[in-house]
Amino acid sequence: KAGVTQTPRYLIKTRGQQVTLSCSPISGHRSVSWYQQTPGQGLQFLFEYFSETQRNKGNFPGRFSGRQFSNSRSEMNVSTLELGDSALYLCASRVGGEQYFGPGTRLTVT
Amino acid sequence: GQQVMQIPQYQHVQEGEDFTTYCNSSTTLSNIQWYKQRPGGHPVFLIQLVKSGEVKKQKRLTFQFGEAKKNSSLHITATQTTDVGTYFCAGATSGTYKYIFGTGTRLKVLA
Repeated sequence: KAGVTQTPRYLIKTRGQQVTLSCSPISGHRSVSWYQQTPGQGLQFLFEYFSETQRNKGNFPGRFSGRQFSNSRSEMNVSTLELGDSALYLCASRVGGEQYFGPGTRLTVT
Repeated sequence: GQQVMQIPQYQHVQEGEDFTTYCNSSTTLSNIQWYKQRPGGHPVFLIQLVKSGEVKKQKRLTFQFGEAKKNSSLHITATQTTDVGTYFCAGATSGTYKYIFGTGTRLKVLA
């Protein structure tokens, strides 16, 4: 089975812009979670989607949003980018308890 | 809010020595997971513990879940250079798949 894929892998944006990141889960996995990883804050939970519904949400501002499509692919959007949004954004698909992480999207905000 | 702390933050060991990382949650967990992230890589699932007092082994790795389901540990026996990376615990509270990750322990193994 193919693993979790994320696109793009690298992205450079300017403060104030918006960005959309994509995640394709492992075939058959209906749950997708998003995480932000930074050296200072570590791995922080953003949100989880299951069957197109957001089931859990972390403590991030409303600039961070997501959605899931009927084929389980998920996107997350960050509007009005700030310098502090520079991070590695990871998505993970899950079946049962095990989470399988994708390689991440490295976002740099200048 | 829920917090998960890990100690130590860093650990350097000589190859062949043992290594232990400890994970403590501010709230009772329904289950805890452990992940390994190699430098430049992404977290890779190692194991999930669900029961109070549970102990699981994977070759040289031993995982424990505390009786109160608020703490956990990962012990590696006779470390190898392939064990290098950051080890994270991640806990979820009952009825949710919202996993809060620990701060991580970065392991360096000196040959």
